Amino acid sequence: DTGVSQDPRHKITKRGQNVTFRCDPISEHNRLYWYRQTLGQGPEFLTYFQNEAQLEKSRLLSDRFSAERPKGSFSTLEIQRTEQGDSAMYLCASSLGGVNTGELFFGEGSRLTVL
Amino acid sequence: SQQGEEDPQALSIQEGENATMNCSYKTSINNLQWYRQNSGRGLVHLILIRSNEREKHSGRLRVTLDTSKKSSSLLITASRAADTASYFCATGDTGTASKLTFGTGTRLQVTL
Repeated sequence: DTGVSQDPRHKITKRGQNVTFRCDPISEHNRLYWYRQTLGQGPEFLTYFQNEAQLEKSRLLSDRFSAERPKGSFSTLEIQRTEQGDSAMYLCASSLGGVNTGELFFGEGSRLTVL
Repeated sequence: SQQGEEDPQALSIQEGENATMNCSYKTSINNLQWYRQNSGRGLVHLILIRSNEREKHSGRLRVTLDTSKKSSSLLITASRAADTASYFCATGDTGTASKLTFGTGTRLQVTL
């Protein structure tokens, strides 16, 4: 499968624990995005990378959130000291070039439930 | 934050009927894209229309764009049960063009 893959697909954790999500984009794509989606809402932008550089972060990305893309390939999104409000689907997407030139390719998402 | 809203929020039709969804947005855009999302899954790109285009077709899909009204519509003709999903519009603005900003979505239910 050469699409965007995300791991894990589902994560249940207790409040206060740390969680990490991984995203493997399509191999030749230089841009990688993280979005968060809550039930009944559209995806909300969190952050994006061009190669290994994190170029933009949303205000939604509090200091408990950190994202990395160390070698310009896969990316990780870590949430520290999880809160119940962090429960959501975390979506990763990749693209070749910017959003003005084409589409985003999404993974199947990582669903987080914080108890 | 959401760029705009889709209308209606939910739509239920019978197989074979046409489904029309509308999207309004707030800022100047470079392009507008439509995505589909099956329940609990990722989003799949359907179609992209640029700001200098007014209408675009792809199979059973027809998209229109009115930049003066900051609105777009997605028409699905001869709907099928497999079209049941949520549909989102997304815009790339003319500023940094760094990301897509999604709307709130229309949940389409197509019944047999």
